[in-house]
Amino acid sequence: EDQVTQSPEALRLQEGESSSLNCSYTVSGLRGLFWYRQDPGKGPEFLFTLYSAGEEKEKERLKATLTKKESFLHITAPKPEDSATYLCAVQARSGNTPLVFGKGTRLSVIA
Amino acid sequence: DSGVTQTPKHLITATGQRVTLRCSPRSGDLSVYWYQQSLDQGLQFLIQYYNGEERAKGNILERFSAQQFPDLHSELNLSSLELGDSALYFCASSVVAGSGELFFGEGSRLTVL
Repeated sequence: EDQVTQSPEALRLQEGESSSLNCSYTVSGLRGLFWYRQDPGKGPEFLFTLYSAGEEKEKERLKATLTKKESFLHITAPKPEDSATYLCAVQARSGNTPLVFGKGTRLSVIA
Repeated sequence: DSGVTQTPKHLITATGQRVTLRCSPRSGDLSVYWYQQSLDQGLQFLIQYYNGEERAKGNILERFSAQQFPDLHSELNLSSLELGDSALYFCASSVVAGSGELFFGEGSRLTVL
């Protein structure tokens, strides 16, 4: 069974204090690993897709990286507007498989 | 704004009742997905439709059913509601079936009393 575990569950940072969120996964052949951002009361918003180990994607203060067993979302010099829950999801290669989501990391950035 | 519209935004009902949640996908998207989000379980996949046909099924209860209509909007029907069905229900859409890049609506918050 495909599984995604995210850590920590919650993270509180001072503005400008860089850190990383972890996503560990097990999947029967990875088609893709996806990062989403979810603001309170809103639906998840797509951020990145990673397909193979060693791949990196960047967007503003966020950088996502991928290994064969985990992905990291690095947040550099975060701002209060980066506060949100970050969700990681995997999709298996076989057939028309849906995304399997982790429970997310709730990030709070304090000014 | 993702372009995916869900109604109603909030719904309060009693145990044993039946409700229908509605979703209009982004213009041009043929695939619709339904997810349930609760505090302890996270986002759980329920069911996927592509151009009117069921494509994939997750851990959807027998009391729940869904369909996608010719105009591509979708409805999720929840019946014989229990307290544990209280959750956020999200609809998402994508251009192609099986895409991992999903566009989510803002959700329907269901409270069962």
